[in-house]
Amino acid sequence: QVQLVESGGGVVQPGESLKLSCAGSGFTFRTSGMHWVRQAPGKGLEWVAFIQFDESLKCYADSVKGRFTISRDNPKNTLFLQMNNLRSEDTAVYYCAREGGVAAPGTFDYWGQGTLVTVSS
Amino acid sequence: QSALTQPRSVSGSPGQSVTISCTGTSSDVGGYNYVSWYQQHPGKAPKLMIYDVTKRPSGVPDRFSGSKSGNTASLTISGLQAEDEADYFCCSYAGSYTFVPFGGGTKLTVL
Repeated sequence: QVQLVESGGGVVQPGESLKLSCAGSGFTFRTSGMHWVRQAPGKGLEWVAFIQFDESLKCYADSVKGRFTISRDNPKNTLFLQMNNLRSEDTAVYYCAREGGVAAPGTFDYWGQGTLVTVSS
Repeated sequence: QSALTQPRSVSGSPGQSVTISCTGTSSDVGGYNYVSWYQQHPGKAPKLMIYDVTKRPSGVPDRFSGSKSGNTASLTISGLQAEDEADYFCCSYAGSYTFVPFGGGTKLTVL
């Protein structure tokens, strides 16, 4: 079955960096677009970034553009999110999710369990 | 892109039906048949319930159904059960890898 497992969350101070990872299994990772979605405590879902299966396209939410970088290692079935210059408003649970693809674009069909990032001084 | 608009809360008794609306624009909900709905229980990851406006992934009960009229999509849950109590979020694709912000979420309470 499809599994997505995030890691790398933690507590950092404003201005610091953090790199999240998401290990995928149970599906053909190298042919799947992938997303990061976050959820601040008690708030709704916020789409953060998308990467096409071959890294030919990367998209970011305006709130993270220029600070976050999405990437992937297909041979290792792993998705990454490099987060620089973190702010308090980046505090959230970060989920990786698989893109629904041609049949269902803009659909997040499988989700990981999430990893918590806390930005606080 | 502006976020989709959902009611903050809805409620219903066991066995009843409830409908949650999701309003966007002609550039997203109204322009594409790519609306999806997600269920989230407290402390858990979201789960896809409906995609492409009306389609149900394998394993999702047929009590859950989706529809769309103009710029508003809807999720209907019939035969409410206690385990349906959760937050529900809608999302729409807007073409050219434009991902419209999720709706603010609707809290469903089963009375």
